[in-house]
Amino acid sequence: DQQVKQNSPSLSVQEGRISILNCDYTNSMFDYFLWYKKYPAEGPTFLISISSIKDKNEDGRFTVFLNKSAKHLSLHIVPSQPGDSAVYFCAASAQTGANNLFFGTGTRLTVIP
Amino acid sequence: DSGVTQTPKHLITATGQRVTLRCSPRSGDLSVYWYQQSLDQGLQFLIQYYNGEERAKGNILERFSAQQFPDLHSELNLSSLELGDSALYFCASSLAGGPDEQFFGPGTRLTVL
Repeated sequence: DQQVKQNSPSLSVQEGRISILNCDYTNSMFDYFLWYKKYPAEGPTFLISISSIKDKNEDGRFTVFLNKSAKHLSLHIVPSQPGDSAVYFCAASAQTGANNLFFGTGTRLTVIP
Repeated sequence: DSGVTQTPKHLITATGQRVTLRCSPRSGDLSVYWYQQSLDQGLQFLIQYYNGEERAKGNILERFSAQQFPDLHSELNLSSLELGDSALYFCASSLAGGPDEQFFGPGTRLTVL
């Protein structure tokens, strides 16, 4: 049972435009959410996180939005750059208990120069 | 470079065999996590150790076991291997056992023939 879902396997965006990656979750116990970026032949790299007490967190070109009532989060990348081309994983955890992460299946972002 | 090392990088073996994957966490990190990524799947949490003790278990088969040693490195043992065990195995580490970011190693690609 996939508790974290990324329904778009791929996304192509023109350089300089906004990339929006979406993620849905089903477990209401999740209260901490993260985005990881993964290049081929490398492990995932932490990008940005958000706690459920917030609805937005920004770090440079990356902003994560959380809509708890819809159990939905999104990652915005503005402006998109060719180096952003990678697979992006959404992950969630519940602070009560272990810190293990539940991952989505990933979205492959291609930024076209 | 995340600071997490995994060996070997690639492993090819036959069904029924047993293998050991090794992980060294970032300096100072006490928690180690193991994840499995099968083809076109997200990362599935297997098991977590914190300061030498098992902290949480996920979808880990009984044929698989892990341990964390006093120097905090960890090993994942996979036995009676089946074709379906072919996957990328990632190790991650974090400072504590709470909901902080996890730093991933480059992974071990296991191929069972």
